[in-house]
Amino acid sequence: EAQVTQNPRYLITVTGKKLTVTCSQNMNHEYMSWYRQDPGLGLRQIYYSMNVEVTDKGDVPEGYKVSRKEKRNFPLILESPSPNQTSLYFCASSSSAGIRGLRQYNEQFFGPGTRLTVL
Amino acid sequence: GESVGLHLPTLSVQEGDNSIINCAYSNSASDYFIWYKQESGKGPQFIIDIRSNMDKRQGQRVTVLLNKTVKHLSLQIAATQPGDSAVYFCAENIGPDSNYQLIWGAGTKLIIKP
Repeated sequence: EAQVTQNPRYLITVTGKKLTVTCSQNMNHEYMSWYRQDPGLGLRQIYYSMNVEVTDKGDVPEGYKVSRKEKRNFPLILESPSPNQTSLYFCASSSSAGIRGLRQYNEQFFGPGTRLTVL
Repeated sequence: GESVGLHLPTLSVQEGDNSIINCAYSNSASDYFIWYKQESGKGPQFIIDIRSNMDKRQGQRVTVLLNKTVKHLSLQIAATQPGDSAVYFCAENIGPDSNYQLIWGAGTKLIIKP
């Protein structure tokens, strides 16, 4: 089954304790992205990756790191989490970002979400 | 900065009726728009998209209308069903200068009343 998976789904941690949220897709997608979702703010992009070893900042990158060592995985790293990073996080992937002319060229497939609480 | 916005945060519709969810955008360079549906506890799911060279696009029970003159986008859902209850997001893509990133609206919650 084609899917985007995230782990963990729920995490409660304390300020300053490094954590990693994993994201994996089995659709051979080039493009992957991390979003955070907060009430009333919709989805805001944290980081994205156009392909392996290519990552770029989104709208709210502060306090986050990512890596894209292989195509299927795009982990999100919080080196020193703070309470303002308490949020719902979504990973997404797409097959054709930047390739225009396709019918659904920018359709992104989302993971189930990771609810993070930082105390 | 420019952003996508929504007129109504919550919309209640009787089951079987049609619903219309509205979205305003301000970036004139946007040339591609998408509607996503997010059910409780799940990630967003693609519904329908439309390019700026179109005014209307229809899917199964859904229609997206684009009015570029007033920078307005709407999603119409025909004969709503309980499974349509969700938060609906519009998103715009402002083209190559932004690496084709999506800008998301805040979302509209659709409630289907039995």
